[in-house]
Amino acid sequence: DTAVSQTPKYLVTQMGNDKSIKCEQNLGHDTMYWYKQDSKKFLKIMFSYNNKELIINETVPNRFSPKSPDKAHLNLHINSLELGDSAVYFCASSLGGRYSPLHFGNGTRLTVT
Amino acid sequence: KNEVEQSPQNLTAQEGEFITINCSYSVGISALHWLQQHPGGGIVSLFMLSSGKKKHGRLIATINIQEKHSSLHITASHPRDSAVYICAVKTQGGSEKLVFGKGMKLTVNP
Repeated sequence: DTAVSQTPKYLVTQMGNDKSIKCEQNLGHDTMYWYKQDSKKFLKIMFSYNNKELIINETVPNRFSPKSPDKAHLNLHINSLELGDSAVYFCASSLGGRYSPLHFGNGTRLTVT
Repeated sequence: KNEVEQSPQNLTAQEGEFITINCSYSVGISALHWLQQHPGGGIVSLFMLSSGKKKHGRLIATINIQEKHSSLHITASHPRDSAVYICAVKTQGGSEKLVFGKGMKLTVNP
């Protein structure tokens, strides 16, 4: 059983398009995250939701909009894609609280041409 | 300068060697994570520490809060340990924010 699943695994699209990445967790966790891993493999937090409420919103362009319909899902919608958006995007979840380990999805490799 | 620094950046070892990966941080933290990212890209959480030492199989993680330093040790290394090892700290202040190091690429040769 997949704990944190994200789709699609690969996404190739042209500049200017709008795309979404979906994430679902079946662990019963309260907190979900989106991370971006750039070409230098550096991970950075983008958003964090706790029980469907946004708690962390890093300096991400407002073309990126997370949506959490329920606490098991956190989707990422990206408008007007740019070349610099090409990266691997990881969804993760945790129980919340400072001592909870993270569970990651397998990542979505987004390539903008 | 990044708030989390790892050393070395790359390491090549022979199977069976004892390996140490270091992580230093410059901010106040509530916890430190060690993550493993395999060549296929998936990320797995290995340890989460707030003090002392933890052991899981051939992996040992230690943290010294006063010195703001953590180490990940791999005993009897094996080619399947080849991966990128990432240190991440959960900053103090109530938010769930994790700050990541740049990772250390480990290659274990048979």
